[in-house]
Amino acid sequence: GAGVSQSPRYKVAKRGQDVALRCDPISGHVSLFWYQQALGQGPEFLTYFQNEAQLDKSGLPSDRFFAERPEGSVSTLKIQRTQQEDSAVYLCASSPIRSGERNQPQHFGDGTRLSIL
Amino acid sequence: RKEVEQDPGPFNVPEGATVAFNCTYSNSASQSFFWYRQDCRKEPKLLMSVYSSGNEDGRFTAQLNRASQYISLLIRDSKLSDSATYLCVVTWDHYGNNRLAFGKGNQVVVIP
Repeated sequence: GAGVSQSPRYKVAKRGQDVALRCDPISGHVSLFWYQQALGQGPEFLTYFQNEAQLDKSGLPSDRFFAERPEGSVSTLKIQRTQQEDSAVYLCASSPIRSGERNQPQHFGDGTRLSIL
Repeated sequence: RKEVEQDPGPFNVPEGATVAFNCTYSNSASQSFFWYRQDCRKEPKLLMSVYSSGNEDGRFTAQLNRASQYISLLIRDSKLSDSATYLCVVTWDHYGNNRLAFGKGNQVVVIP
C-alpha cells in the first residue's frame, strides 16, 4: 500500500549496541514525526521534521538519540549505546501539511518494536 | 503533571451498551483535539477530530469543553470490534510547530 512504512518491524539488540530504525513516509508528505511508545503508555513525541529540516528535537531523551531526514523523504532514527530503558515501540508518522496548521491528522506506520537485552 | 490525562480502565462494556469516557488536558493554549484508536500491537489510527461544537460520526460522539479542559468520547450500541484503546490527542503551538501530546489511552473491552 501507500502508507507509512517502517523497518525493521522487530529489532533485538544487546545493551551497548547501536541501532538504526527507518521510516518511509507517504510520498509527498511534508511533515514527519517520531514517537516512542512504552508498554501501557501513549506515544511520546521525540522529534519533528518539516521536509529535511529538523525543527523540533526537544523530545529526544538523551544525546544517544539522533534523527535525520537528509532528502526530505526517508528518515532514520539512530540510537547509540542502547540501554534497556530504550526498549519500546518506535512509531513514525507523516502528515501532508506543515506543522502549525490546525487539525492535521497524522498517518502512522506499524512501528518498530525494539528490545534491548 | 502529564499534558493529557486519561483513566486507562479497562472499561468492560456489554455488547450493545453505551460507554463514555473522557480525558483532561493541562495546556489551555491547546488548539486541536483528536481521538485515535489503537488496536493491540498496531499503530494508532485517527478515529475523529473533536470540534468545539461537538461532532458525531455514526455511533461515535465527541465533545470538547474548553472551559474545563476536557474531551469526551461516547460510543453507542457497542460492537465487539470496538474493543481497542482510545487515545486522546491534544495539539498546541510550540514555537511555531504543532506539538502533539497523547494520553495513556482508555482501554475498552466489549463483552459478548
